[in-house]
Amino acid sequence: SYVLTQPPSVSVAPGQTARITCGGSYIGAKSVHWYQQKAGQAPVVVVYDDDDRPSGIPERFSGSNSGNTATLTISRVEAGDEADYYCQVWDSSSDHVIFGGGTNLTVL
Amino acid sequence: QVQLVQSGAEVKKPGSSVKVSCKASGGTFSNYAINWVRQAPGQGLEWMGGIVPVSDTANYAQKFQGRVTITADESTSTAYMELSSLRSDDTAVYYCARPGVGGPSPKSYSYYYYALDVWGQGTTVTVSS
Repeated sequence: SYVLTQPPSVSVAPGQTARITCGGSYIGAKSVHWYQQKAGQAPVVVVYDDDDRPSGIPERFSGSNSGNTATLTISRVEAGDEADYYCQVWDSSSDHVIFGGGTNLTVL
Repeated sequence: QVQLVQSGAEVKKPGSSVKVSCKASGGTFSNYAINWVRQAPGQGLEWMGGIVPVSDTANYAQKFQGRVTITADESTSTAYMELSSLRSDDTAVYYCARPGVGGPSPKSYSYYYYALDVWGQGTTVTVSS
């Protein structure tokens, strides 16, 4: 089955740029969605279809996807961005939804 | 604006079953995939499966095949997830979630292609003797 690999944690100082990666075989050929989950809350989509943002999500959140790596970039990081972030794809071979293991973003 | 409202917390004994409901309000129900995702304490998101009510076709992750049953009742706009032979490691928060876009994706012909825009509040299931 298809596997998505994320770093367990990323740390960044306020005002800096955070980059969270999601690795998968030929992931560049898939559409990647990114979710933010704060403690005790349900996940929220921050980027969908690689690089689109839902309404209400700040422009500081952006995504890219190429080759074997998709990346969620958070510019001008704020304390309120501290959360777990998950990538997700649809696997065509199984018609299943696949989540990455999640990355905990710490704002120093 | 569609909302998904789930049933309340459950405490179950090992070996028993649990059935969690997810009622949709404020929008159409039948032409969207209702997905079930669980999250064990301190762990990540895990997709269990889903159902497309209009076709009444369920789709299960390999890990849960034979132990999970997902159904939908179009008359009440409610989906259900039943997990049997419960173990302590089934202790988790169980979420239902669905895309904001209905119908199969023109890119993939799958209802599961889209991001999951709408989530229920989660149902805590505790398995303990």
